[in-house]
Amino acid sequence: AQKITQTQPGMFVQEKEAVTLDCTYDTSDPSYGLFWYKQPSSGEMIFLIYQGSYDQQNATEGRYSLNFQKARKSANLVISASQLGDSAMYFCAIYFGNEKLTFGTGTRLTIIP
Amino acid sequence: DAGVTQSPTHLIKTRGQQVTLRCSPKSGHDTVSWYQQALGQGPQFIFQYYEEEERQRGNFPDRFSGHQFPNYSSELNVNALLLGDSALYLCASSLIPGGETQYFGPGTRLLVL
Repeated sequence: AQKITQTQPGMFVQEKEAVTLDCTYDTSDPSYGLFWYKQPSSGEMIFLIYQGSYDQQNATEGRYSLNFQKARKSANLVISASQLGDSAMYFCAIYFGNEKLTFGTGTRLTIIP
Repeated sequence: DAGVTQSPTHLIKTRGQQVTLRCSPKSGHDTVSWYQQALGQGPQFIFQYYEEEERQRGNFPDRFSGHQFPNYSSELNVNALLLGDSALYLCASSLIPGGETQYFGPGTRLLVL
């Protein structure tokens, strides 16, 4: 069975520091897509970044980058220069080609001023 | 560019009742997926609609049904509500079923008493 694991239920980070949120997955499918979503307390799931399994370079979107290590089956999200507005739940999700997203359990990130 | 919209934002029902949730996809998108997010968990896939048909379904009972209209908007119906149906219901849209990125609406918070 395909599985997503986020091992950090909660993290506290000082403002302006970088933070890495961990995500590992288990699949035998060679083709898949990796996503990170941010969910503030309002509930809306906000798309942050995407990485395809065949992409050679790590994806970047502004302050977000995805540290993709295919052999280790990990897809960690790196947020540089954290801001107070980054406080939220963060979900790793994988699209295995069967057209549905499978989500991890999430990491609650709190930025400390 | 209008994003994904959902209505209502909040809903309170009693056990045994029926509920209908509504979703309008992002402009230009034709595929709608529904997810259930229980408190403290990641979203779970319910089903996906494309060309007014259910394309695939997650592990949810037949009490959960849906519909897609010619304008691509969608409804989620839940019959015979149980206390355990209390959750945030998220709608996501994408461009064609194989479109990689799903964009989410703000969700409908359902409380079953």
